[in-house]
Formats: sequence, structure tokens, C-alpha cells
Amino acid sequence: SQQGEEDPQALSIQEGENATMNCSYKTSINNLQWYRQNSGRGLVHLILIRSNEREKHSGRLRVTLDTSKKSSSLLITASRAADTASYFCATDRTGFQKLVFGTGTRLLVSP
Amino acid sequence: EAGVTQFPSHSVIEKGQTVTLRCDPISGHDNLYWYRRVMGKEIKFLLHFVKESKQDESGMPNNRFLAERTGGTYSTLKVQPAELEDSGVYFCASSRRLAGGTSTDTQYFGPGTRLTVL
Repeated sequence: SQQGEEDPQALSIQEGENATMNCSYKTSINNLQWYRQNSGRGLVHLILIRSNEREKHSGRLRVTLDTSKKSSSLLITASRAADTASYFCATDRTGFQKLVFGTGTRLLVSP
Repeated sequence: EAGVTQFPSHSVIEKGQTVTLRCDPISGHDNLYWYRRVMGKEIKFLLHFVKESKQDESGMPNNRFLAERTGGTYSTLKVQPAELEDSGVYFCASSRRLAGGTSTDTQYFGPGTRLTVL
């Protein structure tokens, strides 16, 4: 089965800096979604990018998808302390609606 | 619009006992999913309902787990008897059913139920 892996596992930056997280997967996909999890809380959906899309923006978030390399990146610009959380990518395949999650990146944004 | 809700938020039980988790999806969402994250591991899929029917239960670990969605609204996940390795956070998610049947849409997650089996 496919498995997503995020890189890096942990990232520590200062407020105002940009944060980039990468996700790799193994099989062809239908969609790729990014989620955020604050400590002890549920998963918050950030953005969905479809396999025929290459880039998507939402506020300070920019997601790219390279299906030839089976990878995606999430860029958070002008980070804030409130962005501190774990970030997960999740993929699904055509005909299968279940999400396969990556291992996550723990982001720490210091004031 | 209310989000996905789960009850309880925490549950601490002893090995061998039974626990039932509940999930209320977003109103109108036909798709309902259960996932779990055990300590130190990634979030893994358990099963998927379309209305009251089990569409995919390939992730259910064993027959100690029973999921139901009577009437196609809320769902329950019962663990009986619970074992130590069942400890973790159980997430529920829901999504709309898009035209075409197999198309996927954003899955919205609930806050999770943290299960501790002692």
C-alpha cells in the first residue's frame, strides 16, 4: 500500500520566516490533502489539490504537486507562532476514498 | 454549520472492558470514515460508510472492532473486549458524496476520542 512520508520530521523557525514541508508518496493518486493538528486537538483541513493541478494557494499557504516525482510541498509564508502544529499530507487513489496519511512534520514557530 | 463531533473526548478503560465511541458527521454528508492513530505511528484508516452501508472496512484490525451507522446518520465504533494495543486517538471524518459516486471530496475531521486501555 502507498505510504506518505513528510520531510522534515521537525522544523523550527522564527516568526516571519517561511516554512516548507515536503511529502512523498508511492502510488498514483487522485487527490492530495494537507491537514494541521494542534497539540491534543483534531485535524484541521488546510487545502486539497487534485492530481491534475500543479499549484494551489490559500491565504498564506501554497501547495505544489508534482505527480511525476510523486511529491508535494506545503509552503507557509510569514509564519506566526499560532502556526505551531503538526502538519500531515494525505492521499487517496481513484476508486478508493480512504486517506493514507504521512508521518507528519512538527513545526515550531518561535516569537 | 456544525462540524464533525465525537463523544467522548477521552475514555479510560481496563483491558477486557467494552467501549463505544460515537461520531456525528456534518449534516448531509453521506460519507463517514473512522481512522485511528496509535502512539508514535501514523494515522491509519479503519473503515468507510456510504450512508448506512460499509463501503470499505479493509482497515479494521480484527473482529473485536464493530462499526455501525444505523439510519445513515451518526456512527458508533465498539471495541469489545479492549486490549492494551487499542490505545490511541480515534478520529471520525465525513465528506460529501460527489457526482460520479467514486469521486472524493474534502474529508472533515472531528476532534477525536483519546482511548486509553489500562
